[in-house]
Amino acid sequence: RKEVEQDPGPFNVPEGATVAFNCTYSNSASQSFFWYRQDCRKEPKLLMSVYSSGNEDGRFTAQLNRASQYISLLIRDSKLSDSATYLCVVNMGWGTDKLIFGTGTRLQVFP
Amino acid sequence: NAGVTQTPKFQVLKTGQSMTLQCAQDMNHEYMSWYRQDPGMGLRLIHYSVGAGITDQGEVPNGYNVSRSTTEDFPLRLLSAAPSQTSVYFCASSSSYRTGPSGELFFGEGSRLTVL
Repeated sequence: RKEVEQDPGPFNVPEGATVAFNCTYSNSASQSFFWYRQDCRKEPKLLMSVYSSGNEDGRFTAQLNRASQYISLLIRDSKLSDSATYLCVVNMGWGTDKLIFGTGTRLQVFP
Repeated sequence: NAGVTQTPKFQVLKTGQSMTLQCAQDMNHEYMSWYRQDPGMGLRLIHYSVGAGITDQGEVPNGYNVSRSTTEDFPLRLLSAAPSQTSVYFCASSSSYRTGPSGELFFGEGSRLTVL
C-alpha cells in the first residue's frame, strides 16, 4: 500500500460547483498534513495546512479524520483559476523529517 | 526575492555521464530536500538534509548523492546517469521544527533532465 494515496482524477466540474478530494495515509503516527497546488509544468505551492479541528481559508476547507486516516479538501464555488493538480502531503510521524507526497488529483473547471 | 534557485533548468545527458544539479536558498532554512516527479508517480523524495553536515535518504536514493557543506547549498549528484533517471527534479527548503519540517516547502522551478 502506498504511504499516501489520492484519486488521480481528473475531476471535471463547471464553474460554481463544489468539489471534494480525499487522501488516505498509511502511517498512523503521522502528525502533519498539507494540501499543495501544482499548476501545469510549475513547482508545487502550499495551499493550506490541515489541522485536527479542520480549517477554512475562503472557499477552501480542509479536514482531518485520524480514525480513518484520511484528509479531505473541499472547494466551494469553483473558479476557472482553480484548475490545477492538488497534492496531499503527509509527514511520516514523530521524529522523522520526511514529507511524502501523494500522486495528486487533477481538477479541471470548465465555463 | 530569490527563494530557491535551481540550475540548470534543462539538461540532456548520455547514459553513464555524471552531473550535478545545483540548489541554493537564501531564506536561511535548515531543511532542504530533493524530489523527482514522474508521470503517475507523483513527487518522490530522493534525499533530504536537516542542517549543514547532515543528510539522509528518502524514498528513492539509489543513483544519487548529496552533501550539505553550507546552509545555503544542497547539490544533487548523478554518478552514472541512466534512462530511468529521466525526470523533473525539484529542490525544496523549509524552516525546520524539532519534529520535522514546518510543512511549507518552498520549491525551486525544477530541472528537467533527459538521459538518452
